[in-house]
Amino acid sequence: QSALTQPASMSGSPGQSITISCSGSSDDIGNDDSLSWYQRYPDKGPTLLIFQVTNRPSHISTRFSASKSGNTASLTISGLQLQDEAEYFCASHTKRGSWVFGGGTKLTVL
Amino acid sequence: QMQLTQSGAEVKENGSSLKISCRASDYIFTYTYLHWVRQVPGQVLEWMGWITPYNGNLRYSQTFQDRLTITRSSSLTFAYMELSGLRPEDTGIYYCVRSSLSGSQFYFDSWGQGTRVTVS
Repeated sequence: QSALTQPASMSGSPGQSITISCSGSSDDIGNDDSLSWYQRYPDKGPTLLIFQVTNRPSHISTRFSASKSGNTASLTISGLQLQDEAEYFCASHTKRGSWVFGGGTKLTVL
Repeated sequence: QMQLTQSGAEVKENGSSLKISCRASDYIFTYTYLHWVRQVPGQVLEWMGWITPYNGNLRYSQTFQDRLTITRSSSLTFAYMELSGLRPEDTGIYYCVRSSLSGSQFYFDSWGQGTRVTVS
């Protein structure tokens, strides 16, 4: 099972918005609505940002939003803050019953 | 909020076996799935397998099924991941992860802090 494709790095200034893409196939992202997004700081376990493509846990800031079209999903972070500097990755259940992850995008807030 | 706490860093010899524990605090993960996921340096996260603690059902990734064993304690507060036949390429960070269900879709809602494993 191939990994999902994300840009390796992105950057933005405080207050700006950025969108991180996550591309897969009809065997994973395009197969169902299991796509989720996570944030990870160095030497910490990941935390859930988005589940079921667009749903945000109640404690996650409304600055995080997401969408999906076909085999590609997107995570948008609006009003960038310095604390958003972290790694972001996507995950999807697959048709074969396994899970596949994106390579992760390191976000720098300049 | 449920926390998953993993055992500490391990240094193992080539060919040996590894066993990592994962403890659930404030919640017994009876009716959930408990997964193991790893990340080797420079590589993408890899899903290794899951166990359903309440009945011990298992599913392993084909990549690991020959040398992976996932178990849980009788108290249903601990899960364990055992990987045999270790090689240097198994060096990385191993996570236990709980998944929850929303509608018909599962997602990973709680991650352990990760256990760093070095094989030499």
